[in-house]
Formats: sequence, C-alpha cells, structure tokens
Amino acid sequence: DQQVKQNSPSLSVQEGRISILNCDYTNSMFDYFLWYKKYPAEGPTFLISISSIKDKNEDGRFTVFLNKSAKHLSLHIVPSQPGDSAVYFCAAGPSGGSYIPTFGRGTSLIVHP
Amino acid sequence: EAGVAQSPRYKIIEKRQSVAFWCNPISGHATLYWYQQILGQGPKLLIQFQNNGVVDDSQLPKDRFSAERLKGVDSTLKIQPAKLEDSAVYLCASSKRAGNSPLHFGNGTRLTVT
Repeated sequence: DQQVKQNSPSLSVQEGRISILNCDYTNSMFDYFLWYKKYPAEGPTFLISISSIKDKNEDGRFTVFLNKSAKHLSLHIVPSQPGDSAVYFCAAGPSGGSYIPTFGRGTSLIVHP
Repeated sequence: EAGVAQSPRYKIIEKRQSVAFWCNPISGHATLYWYQQILGQGPKLLIQFQNNGVVDDSQLPKDRFSAERLKGVDSTLKIQPAKLEDSAVYLCASSKRAGNSPLHFGNGTRLTVT
C-alpha cells in the first residue's frame, strides 16, 4: 500500500525548459512535504519543503505547489540545467510529535543539453 | 557544518553472516533515522531514535535486525544473520528536532548479500 506515489519513473527535458515532477499521496494526515534530489552513489539531498498551511513555496529555480484537496504536489524546476539530472524523491508525513516521512519511488530526471 | 557520516561505504557478505553499519549524525541533531533503500524503490524507514530512545521500530525485522544509539549520538545497525533480500543501501539520516524538520542523509552503505 503506497501512501506516496510518484507515477512517472522517468522524465526527459531539454535544457532551459521547465521540469515538472509530480507526487500524489493518500493519507489525509500528511501535512508536511519534502523533495529530495539523489545523485548515483550519494545520499538524498534535501531540496525544498512545504507545509499544508501553504500552497506554494519557492527557492531559486525550485518551486513546490501543494493541492490539498487533490492530495497532489508538484516540483517545478525553471530553467532546467544538465546538473539537475538526478532521481527526485517526494516524501510526506504527519507533523506534530516525531516526524517520520514516507518516500515515493522516485522520478529519474534527465536534462538534455 | 559536517554532514552525516556513514561507514563502511560498501560491504559484501555471504548469507547467514552478520554485518554492522555505523552512523555519526550532524552535531546537535537529536533525531536519527535508519532507512533501507532497495534498488528501484524509495527509502523505507527501519527505525527512528529521539536522542537515545526508540520512537518507532515497527518496520524493523527484529528477528535479524537490531539498532542502538548510545549516548544519543552515534548509532549502529546490525543484521544477523543476513538474507539475500537484505541487499540494499542502508541510509542514515538526522534532523534537528522532532516535528517539521527536514532529514539530512549520509551517503549510505551499499550491502550485497551473496
């Protein structure tokens, strides 16, 4: 039973264009969401987070959008760069007390020069 | 600030052998997590510590896996005896506090069980 789903295993984008990575969750108790980037042979690196009190959070080229009614979030990367090529994981969990995020399976992003 | 340190980076063992992984979290981070990541899947929580107490170990296969966090800092994860399906990357992560705080991961230990 996957509570966090990333339905696209891979995404290919041209350099300079927008990359949109999607994530769906099923647990209505989830209210704090994270995106991670992972290069081969390295651990996941924290990118950006969003709390359910917001519907958008921006950090440089990275923006996360949250649609609570649809239980959907997306990560936008604009403009995409070849160095963005990596696996992106969405994670979600309930805040309050100890935070234990559940991770999706990841989306492999390839940005072509 | 120094990141989460893990060792060893790679380990190859035969089934039924034992293995141990070590993790040193970011200084001052009270919460420590061990995740298992099987190829093609997302990380799956094994155990979470708050200081040196266990918060959640519901997904830890306790017949073969054990973990401890002495003095609320370093942690070790042990597998005894190992099975073929334990082949995975074992990731340690830490966060400043419980609640809304992002996890910071180490580079992991890649375990191959033959």
